[in-house]
Amino acid sequence: SYELTQPPSVSVIPGQTARITCSGDTLSKQYSYWFQQKPGQAPVKVIYRDTQRPSEIPERFSGSNSGTTVTLTISGVQAEDEADYYCLSADSSGVYWMFGGGTKLSV
Amino acid sequence: QAQVLQSGTEVKKPGASVKVSCKASSDSVSDYGIVWVRQAPGQGLEWLGWSTFYSDKTKSAQKFQGRFTMTTDTSTRTAYMELRSLRFDDTAVYFCAVGIAAPYMDVWGKGTTVTVSS
Repeated sequence: SYELTQPPSVSVIPGQTARITCSGDTLSKQYSYWFQQKPGQAPVKVIYRDTQRPSEIPERFSGSNSGTTVTLTISGVQAEDEADYYCLSADSSGVYWMFGGGTKLSV
Repeated sequence: QAQVLQSGTEVKKPGASVKVSCKASSDSVSDYGIVWVRQAPGQGLEWLGWSTFYSDKTKSAQKFQGRFTMTTDTSTRTAYMELRSLRFDDTAVYFCAVGIAAPYMDVWGKGTTVTVSS
């Protein structure tokens, strides 16, 4: 089996930059995706294919990949960004998918 | 863009089965793939499996193989997941999501709460 590892929590002051990492062996071979989830709501995709941002997502959200670690960066964090964030990627076969354990962003 | 509507809350006893539905609004839903994800209370997201809308290709997470099935009714644009031999730790909110390309998570349903209780 494989796994994706995220820090349980990240704290940031409004206006600063938040960085949330996700580590896993397959990340050098498979794309990563990032989801934001607020309490009582379904997840929302904020980054896809490592670095791409859906058109409806604010520009302050960005993604990067440096081999076996991917990073979600939120520049100029706003109070509304407080949420749980999950990375997602596939195993080496590309067939089975897995979420990271999630990171609670406190603003 | 497709919208998805999930069925309502379920309460089941241990050992029973539950079937959750996910109805897509788009007429072009045959082009979509469907994913099922669950979230236990206070826990993270867990990927259960994916299926093409015609169910000609399906894959489920290995820990659920044998008691998890995905099906679709193309005439009503409705997908179903069934989980059998329910255990207390199957208590969770079950989400469906659809999309054009893997991981098929562009549009999410609001979730269906399944409680396993004796």
